[in-house]
Amino acid sequence: AQSVAQPEDQVNVAEGNPLTVKCTYSVSGNPYLFWYVQYPNRGLQFLLKYITGDNLVKGSYGFEAEFNKSQTSFHLKKPSALVSDSALYFCAVRDLFRDNQGGKLIFGQGTELSVKP
Amino acid sequence: KAGVTQTPRYLIKTRGQQVTLSCSPISGHRSVSWYQQTPGQGLQFLFEYFSETQRNKGNFPGRFSGRQFSNSRSEMNVSTLELGDSALYLCASSRPETGNTIYFGEGSWLTVV
Repeated sequence: AQSVAQPEDQVNVAEGNPLTVKCTYSVSGNPYLFWYVQYPNRGLQFLLKYITGDNLVKGSYGFEAEFNKSQTSFHLKKPSALVSDSALYFCAVRDLFRDNQGGKLIFGQGTELSVKP
Repeated sequence: KAGVTQTPRYLIKTRGQQVTLSCSPISGHRSVSWYQQTPGQGLQFLFEYFSETQRNKGNFPGRFSGRQFSNSRSEMNVSTLELGDSALYLCASSRPETGNTIYFGEGSWLTVV
């Protein structure tokens, strides 16, 4: 069965410092991996995804993620954190339906990112 | 381009009642899915629809049901509400191919009292 794990419930970073939010996955076959962000009382906003190709994926708001097949990881990174990046971050893997059509997202438990001035 | 639209945004219901939540997908998106978010269980998949057919269902009791209309709009219904059904219900839409991005709405906050 497909699964993702976010080993840290909370990550604290000082503004201007680099940030990393960790995600590891377990899938059969090729993974379809996603990162979403959720601000308080809001829905999920798409940040980036890995389907195939370059292992370094660039996304919205200056975020990027590195796909590492040997370590089964897909960590989210940003070179310089902003206070406004403080939010809940979710890693997800797509559990494929037949014929590569559709498929539900399986989410990690989320990581609360806190960026202090 | 309008995003995924969910109505109502907030609602309060009494135990035993039923509720219907509505979702309008992004224009051109024919795949719609629903998720429940709670502090204890996190984000859990409810169901997925494509071309008015449910093609995937999560592990929820039969009180949870949904449907999709010919214009791709979707509704989900929860009957005989329980306190534990209090949650944020998120609708998402995408084009059907698996590699496509899934976009979420702002959600419907359901409180059962």
